[in-house]
Amino acid sequence: GNSVTQMEGPVTLSEEAFLTINCTYTATGYPSLFWYVQYPGEGLQLLLKATKADDKGSNKGFEATYRKETTSFHLEKGSVQVSDSAVYFCALGPIGANSKLTFGKGITLSVRP
Amino acid sequence: DAGVIQSPRHEVTEMGQEVTLRCKPISGHNSLFWYRQTMMRGLELLIYFNNNVPIDDSGMPEDRFSAKMPNASFSTLKIQPSEPRDSAVYFCASSRQGGSYEQYFGPGTRLTVT
Repeated sequence: GNSVTQMEGPVTLSEEAFLTINCTYTATGYPSLFWYVQYPGEGLQLLLKATKADDKGSNKGFEATYRKETTSFHLEKGSVQVSDSAVYFCALGPIGANSKLTFGKGITLSVRP
Repeated sequence: DAGVIQSPRHEVTEMGQEVTLRCKPISGHNSLFWYRQTMMRGLELLIYFNNNVPIDDSGMPEDRFSAKMPNASFSTLKIQPSEPRDSAVYFCASSRQGGSYEQYFGPGTRLTVT
């Protein structure tokens, strides 16, 4: 079945550091891919998405490229800020008749000043 | 445009009491999802509806949990009787069928059962 694997956390970085959060997936077909972010005390928010191979999603300085050959959708940001401290979830879109997303376990990012 | 609305935002109740959580999805969305989030188990999908019809309730923990969607703009998740292990944050999310299916989450209801 469909599954998403995220790198183990938590991750702690200094402000202005480069960020990479790994995400790989297993799926039949070519689903859409998403990154969601959850700030403390809030619900999940869509951060970015890509709907087909080689698409790059971007938002708020974050980027991720849909790599079919490596079944990956790694999240990157060139210079993190304290305000980026949150939990990040990679998710796989539905395939076939169902509508549900498949989420990874999430990874906590803490950025220190 | 209003997002997904959940009420109450916080609920504290005693073991054995009935708890009802409410959700109003985004207008025009025809899929609705209930999730539970805890530190131990992470984010779990409990049930989802398409066009007000329950499609997959395999994540509902046990018979104490039930969910309804009487119309396109309202859903409830009920726990009866509640137990301390039900303490969690419950999220409702909605999406439009078709396209990329991205989901939009509400702010959550933090439930504490003592």
